[in-house]
Amino acid sequence: DADVTQTPRNRITKTGKRIMLECSQTKGHDRMYWYRQDPGLGLRLIYYSFDVKDINKGEISDGYSVSRQAQAKFSLSLESAIPNQTALYFCATSDPGRNSGANVLTFGAGSRLTVL
Amino acid sequence: AQRVTQPEKLLSVFKGAPVELKCNYSYSGSPELFWYVQYSRQRLQLLLRHISRESIKGFTADLNKGETSFHLKKPFAQEEDSAMYYCALISNFGNEKLTFGTGTRLTIIP
Repeated sequence: DADVTQTPRNRITKTGKRIMLECSQTKGHDRMYWYRQDPGLGLRLIYYSFDVKDINKGEISDGYSVSRQAQAKFSLSLESAIPNQTALYFCATSDPGRNSGANVLTFGAGSRLTVL
Repeated sequence: AQRVTQPEKLLSVFKGAPVELKCNYSYSGSPELFWYVQYSRQRLQLLLRHISRESIKGFTADLNKGETSFHLKKPFAQEEDSAMYYCALISNFGNEKLTFGTGTRLTIIP
């Protein structure tokens, strides 16, 4: 089983619809992130959370919201989807500290969202 | 603000030739640098990080603070090196979030 699981893997929706992308992890990491990947733009951070009570905006948070339901779950919502939110979305986790794995991101497989 | 620049979106290299993927960064403090790789149909994964000073799959990267660069190098390219490569930076002070470059798609020509 994958350490970081994203659902759905693919979704096609229409403009104006509400969409939720879910992420769950078995790594036991406190830190979770949502990135979007666009050709030529790389990965851009949408939101991140360093623990259950901590939510922070990334560089492109407009039009998105998140919920950290538990240490293992971090959901991304698009309240009213628009076509320029068509992208590949990645969830990731990391562990802070000074050990050899600190600050290394473990990624999910990605959720491809198409907004028509 | 921290920034990572990968000037080449696409790079094609013949098998057996040397490879260099460029990465420059801007950050006023002491950053930690990473290279992540995404092979076809696989997840994005860590390739190497500068503090480890390791060679992974024949790749090395040296942090040059004077030139603010962290170029990825391999002396002899192999076909399985074809992938998307991302350089990334994390600040060791403050918000500690990872900033990625725009990526370089490396294609190894047989």
